[in-house]
Amino acid sequence: QVQLVESGGGVVQPGRSLRLSCVASGFTFSTYAMQWVRQAPGKGLEWVAVISYGGSNKYFADSVKGRFTISRDNSRNTLYLQMNSLRAEDTAVYYCARDRSTVTSRLDYWGQGTLVTVSS
Amino acid sequence: QSALTQPASVSGSPGQSITISCTGTSSDVGGYDYVSWYQQHPGKAPKLMIYEVSDRPSGVPDRFSGSKSGNTASLTISGLQAEDEADYYCSSYTSNSTVVFGGGTKLTVL
Repeated sequence: QVQLVESGGGVVQPGRSLRLSCVASGFTFSTYAMQWVRQAPGKGLEWVAVISYGGSNKYFADSVKGRFTISRDNSRNTLYLQMNSLRAEDTAVYYCARDRSTVTSRLDYWGQGTLVTVSS
Repeated sequence: QSALTQPASVSGSPGQSITISCTGTSSDVGGYDYVSWYQQHPGKAPKLMIYEVSDRPSGVPDRFSGSKSGNTASLTISGLQAEDEADYYCSSYTSNSTVVFGGGTKLTVL
């Protein structure tokens, strides 16, 4: 069955960096686009970034552009989110999700999420 | 990238029907048939309920249906059941090649 397992969350000071990982199983990872979505405590969903199945196309929310990078290693079935210059407002549960492509906005499987807390 | 507009809350009694609206612009909801709806129970990951405006993934009851008119998409749940009580979010692909979510709607089953 399809599984997405995020890791790498934790408590980090403002201005520092953190890298999240999402390991996929149960499907052919290299044929799907992948997305990151976050949810601040008690708040709604906020889209963060998407990467195409081959990794050549990447798009970001304005709120993270220039600070966050998305990448993938299809040989390891793993998606990454490199988060730099973290701010208090980046505190959230970060979900990875599978999508058919970068244009469909059809997130059909989600991980359980990993919590990132940015605090001094 | 302004969030799509959803009502903060809706409610209905078991067996009734409710509709949740999702209003965007011609650059997102109105411009593409890539509108999705997600259900999220407390402490859980979101679950895809509707994609491409009106298609249902396998396993989603046909009590859930979606539609779109102009810049507004809608999710209708008929025959409300207690387990439908949850938060619901719409999303859309945008002309900037990004994705935008709605602010979310809390559904209460009375």
